[in-house]
Amino acid sequence: DADVTQTPRNRITKTGKRIMLECSQTKGHDRMYWYRQDPGLGLRLIYYSFDVKDINKGEISDGYSVSRQAQAKFSLSLESAIPNQTALYFCATSRDSPYRGNEQFFGPGTRLTVL
Amino acid sequence: GQQVMQIPQYQHVQEGEDFTTYCNSSTTLSNIQWYKQRPGGHPVFLIQLVKSGEVKKQKRLTFQFGEAKKNSSLHITATQTTDVGTYFCAGATSGTYKYIFGTGTRLKVLA
Repeated sequence: DADVTQTPRNRITKTGKRIMLECSQTKGHDRMYWYRQDPGLGLRLIYYSFDVKDINKGEISDGYSVSRQAQAKFSLSLESAIPNQTALYFCATSRDSPYRGNEQFFGPGTRLTVL
Repeated sequence: GQQVMQIPQYQHVQEGEDFTTYCNSSTTLSNIQWYKQRPGGHPVFLIQLVKSGEVKKQKRLTFQFGEAKKNSSLHITATQTTDVGTYFCAGATSGTYKYIFGTGTRLKVLA
């Protein structure tokens, strides 16, 4: 969906480097999410944010941090990248709590390789 | 913690055959969503089920939510090559505001 964009789309970095993945949305949604996808493991939630002042840890937050700069922007940082953080990363948004029944809209993904 | 498992992990079918993927949660869910991810693409929402025993249909796709709200299934009748992709379920428990995704079922359709 062009409404949710992620930059960069591909990134190769070295162990120990700091890297930031960015997500922007024009859908006007309050809720934003970061997931990582690994083969055979599905999508795992890293962090989620209900609004600019509300950020929560997901299933696998260790080694990651996030920043919600505005309603439309949600960034994911790897402070010191390690090889097992090599994965496909997705940002997603939703209109309201998915608990209440609203779908998540995913960005195109960022493929990150840590050497 | 909550776990959501899907079986099978992979399925190859001949075009025209039926396909079913099953989703099982370790805890009772408040609702469940299904997503499809085409090869090289991102997950796209298909449907949400909320009620115990609910059945919903979308053309050749039939979605079911178990009576105990701990399992769900997606059945595709007469598969087509356009059905190729990975199908994920995602369940949320009452009182939480996040979905736990299943491991996914990758479907290949042979023409």
